[in-house]
Amino acid sequence: AQTVTQSQPEMSVQEAETVTLSCTYDTSESNYYLFWYKQPPSRQMILVIRQEAYKQQNATENRFSVNFQKAAKSFSLKISDSQLGDTAMYFCAFMARGGTPLVFGKGTRLSVIA
Amino acid sequence: DTGVSQNPRHKITKRGQNVTFRCDPISEHNRLYWYRQTLGQGPEFLTYFQNEAQLEKSRLLSDRFSAERPKGSFSTLEIQRTEQGDSAMYLCASSSWTATSGNTIYFGEGSWLTVV
Repeated sequence: AQTVTQSQPEMSVQEAETVTLSCTYDTSESNYYLFWYKQPPSRQMILVIRQEAYKQQNATENRFSVNFQKAAKSFSLKISDSQLGDTAMYFCAFMARGGTPLVFGKGTRLSVIA
Repeated sequence: DTGVSQNPRHKITKRGQNVTFRCDPISEHNRLYWYRQTLGQGPEFLTYFQNEAQLEKSRLLSDRFSAERPKGSFSTLEIQRTEQGDSAMYLCASSSWTATSGNTIYFGEGSWLTVV
């Protein structure tokens, strides 16, 4: 069974600064997908970024980028130029290549401070 | 594309009553998932469908829980004889899955259940 670990329950960052959220996972699969989801106080889970394990290039989406280290089973999220609207819970999630349901970490609560 | 829709958004029920939640997935998405989330925790998988077939149920899903997806469109999640421990947010999600392209899962806004 796959597990996802987020070791930082809470983090804070000043507006316009950069912050990195950590995620590690455990799996015996060789092909899989990794995701970061954001859940603001409104509670809807929103996809931030997705990484396919067979791609060596790290995914980027505007201010969001990942550092994917397959051998270390590490998948961190970097948020550049943090904005107040980035305040939310961030969940790291794993999906095996066969499309099995997402497995989530416990989340990191990020607060962006003005 | 109107997104994943869930109803009702909030439900307060007395212990022992039955409740049913409905999920309308994104049009033409073949996979539909149910998750449960309690405060301060990540979502926990309950069950999922591909079209009308229920492919997997979590061991978390007791016999009081049942889910259906008739005709492979909307889905319902019913909880019988509710208990206070059932209080949580129930999240529905959908995706368009293929063996070659994988999928991205999109979530609805969730249905809050409070059992009193």
